[in-house]
Amino acid sequence: AQSVTQPDIHITVSEGASLELRCNYSYGATPYLFWYVQSPGQGLQLLLKYFSGDTLVQGIKGFEAEFKRSQSSFNLRKPSVHWSDAAEYFCAVGPNRDDKIIFGKGTRLHILP
Amino acid sequence: DTGVSQDPRHKITKRGQNVTFRCDPISEHNRLYWYRQTLGQGPEFLTYFQNEAQLEKSRLLSDRFSAERPKGSFSTLEIQRTEQGDSAMYLCASSQGTVQETQYFGPGTRLLVL
Repeated sequence: AQSVTQPDIHITVSEGASLELRCNYSYGATPYLFWYVQSPGQGLQLLLKYFSGDTLVQGIKGFEAEFKRSQSSFNLRKPSVHWSDAAEYFCAVGPNRDDKIIFGKGTRLHILP
Repeated sequence: DTGVSQDPRHKITKRGQNVTFRCDPISEHNRLYWYRQTLGQGPEFLTYFQNEAQLEKSRLLSDRFSAERPKGSFSTLEIQRTEQGDSAMYLCASSQGTVQETQYFGPGTRLLVL
């Protein structure tokens, strides 16, 4: 069965530091991969998605992610975080047989001033 | 593009009562999804519509839950005889078509069952 694992429940980084959020997936075929961000009181917003082609994907807000098939990973990175990046980040994989996407449990990012 | 809207944003109800939530998708989107998100979890798929047709229902969706999208525009999610375990954030999303198309999420309806 398809699944997504986000190993880190919480991550704390200092403002201006680099960030990497981990995501591992289990999927039988070539997956579609997504990263969403959820800020308090806000809906989920798509940061980036990977379907095929270049394995390094650029997204909004300065985020990027790299698809590594050999490691079944799709880690999210940002070279320098801002206080406004504090939020919960969800990795997702799809489609399963019913054309749906499956979300991980999320990683909450805290930013130190 | 006014985004996906959901109403109400918050709902407190007593166990056993019925509640109904509404979702208005982005106007040209033909797919509409309902998810449930509990504390510390990612969104879990409940059901989705292609236009007015309900194409899939999750096993999470017990008989107490029903969703409609009567004219292929807005959708309602009703929970009958609410239980404390129904307390969650209910999220709606819409998209232009298949999973390749971005799902745009609404702000959610937070339900608390006392």
